[in-house]
Amino acid sequence: QITLKESGPTLVKPTQTLTLTCTFSGFSLSTSGVGVGWIRQPPGKALEWLALIYWDDDKSYSPSLKSRFTITKDTSKNQVVLTMTNMDSVDTATYYCARKRITVVRGAKVYYFDYWGQGTLVTVSS
Amino acid sequence: EIVMTQSPATLSVSPGERATLSCRASQSVNSNLAWYQQKPGQAPRLLIYGASTRATGIPARFSGSGSGTEFTLTISSLQSEDFGVYYCQLYTNWPLFGPGTKVDIK
Repeated sequence: QITLKESGPTLVKPTQTLTLTCTFSGFSLSTSGVGVGWIRQPPGKALEWLALIYWDDDKSYSPSLKSRFTITKDTSKNQVVLTMTNMDSVDTATYYCARKRITVVRGAKVYYFDYWGQGTLVTVSS
Repeated sequence: EIVMTQSPATLSVSPGERATLSCRASQSVNSNLAWYQQKPGQAPRLLIYGASTRATGIPARFSGSGSGTEFTLTISSLQSEDFGVYYCQLYTNWPLFGPGTKVDIK
């Protein structure tokens, strides 16, 4: 059974740094092709991808937010950590982590998020 | 920069009716498109990947089609548990989610 769960503070002050942890089970982040990503959703708004980390420690970030993020993994603990600096009220959102898969469909690689955590609401306010 | 649109923004459907949701990309993504369902207070759930492959455990009333820049999610006979917001997600150099289509009760 594959599960992911986000943890971290529910309230941060503007300009502070947010650290979120995704703890997962049922799969290994050392398996080729596997990644874990972070996606957020402001209240009443759409999903926004933030960052990804892969089994080989390759990383990618949303171009519009790249300078504020760091994503790391601890394979032995089955954890992925996202750090966001200089938090602002516009960063108030539910933050999800999700497993990213790569599958071959009709001869081409396709990429998607197949398992998601329950999400954690982070409010940025003084 | 790729731009994604979903239409309609809201779709009002009676239970048992067919629902057709559209997702468009400003440039071709081949078949690299997924669909998710999200209910209030819940995480998104993967429905379709590779434009037309149903994820594990997804009922056959959900089907996906399309390639390139235009994609469709069809729910053949809407059930009460199908109401919610549907997002498409493409992947080029990184994932990108569409703005969503809300399916509600007519």
